[in-house]
Amino acid sequence: GESVGLHLPTLSVQEGDNSIINCAYSNSASDYFIWYKQESGKGPQFIIDIRSNMDKRQGQRVTVLLNKTVKHLSLQIAATQPGDSAVYFCAEVTGGGNKLTFGTGTQLKVEL
Amino acid sequence: EPEVTQTPSHQVTQMGQEVILRCVPISNHLYFYWYRQILGQKVEFLVSFYNNEISEKSEIFDDQFSVERPDGSNFTLKIRSTKLEDSAMYFCASSWALAYTGELFFGEGSRLTVL
Repeated sequence: GESVGLHLPTLSVQEGDNSIINCAYSNSASDYFIWYKQESGKGPQFIIDIRSNMDKRQGQRVTVLLNKTVKHLSLQIAATQPGDSAVYFCAEVTGGGNKLTFGTGTQLKVEL
Repeated sequence: EPEVTQTPSHQVTQMGQEVILRCVPISNHLYFYWYRQILGQKVEFLVSFYNNEISEKSEIFDDQFSVERPDGSNFTLKIRSTKLEDSAMYFCASSWALAYTGELFFGEGSRLTVL
């Protein structure tokens, strides 16, 4: 069946350090993945996406890595800032593009 | 910057009552969605809507749920007879294309509390 899950529920990092948030997925047919950031009391906000024909994609301070062999996705945040504190979800696009299947979420806490 | 707006931000209702959650998607978007998030859990897909009909729905979206686009701007989710387990944050989202090519924009959510 389809499932997307995260390895760690909480990640604490020092301001300025790099953060790595991991995600495992089980649907080998998935071909598009998205990372979302959810701040307290708000809706999910798009961060970065990656298609299955890529293994790396970079944005501003963020990098997503995709390892299809082990069905693993990661989000790297460089020079983590207090404003990065949030819950991060990976999501898998399914249902012909009509549906996102979200993972459980990782709480990122940035310590000053 | 255009945004998805949702009302009410918080609604408290008695079990068995009907609830309507309202959303105004971004104006040039064509695809509309409802997701929900039970407190502390992951975001779950409920339904997608395109061209005035449901394109996909989840197992959660049973006969107690319905969606409607009554005019050119609003998109509503109705729960006919609420249950305690319907208590959650409900997020509306919209996009101009399918998720493969069009980013989904989420609203800030409507918190539903069923007593």
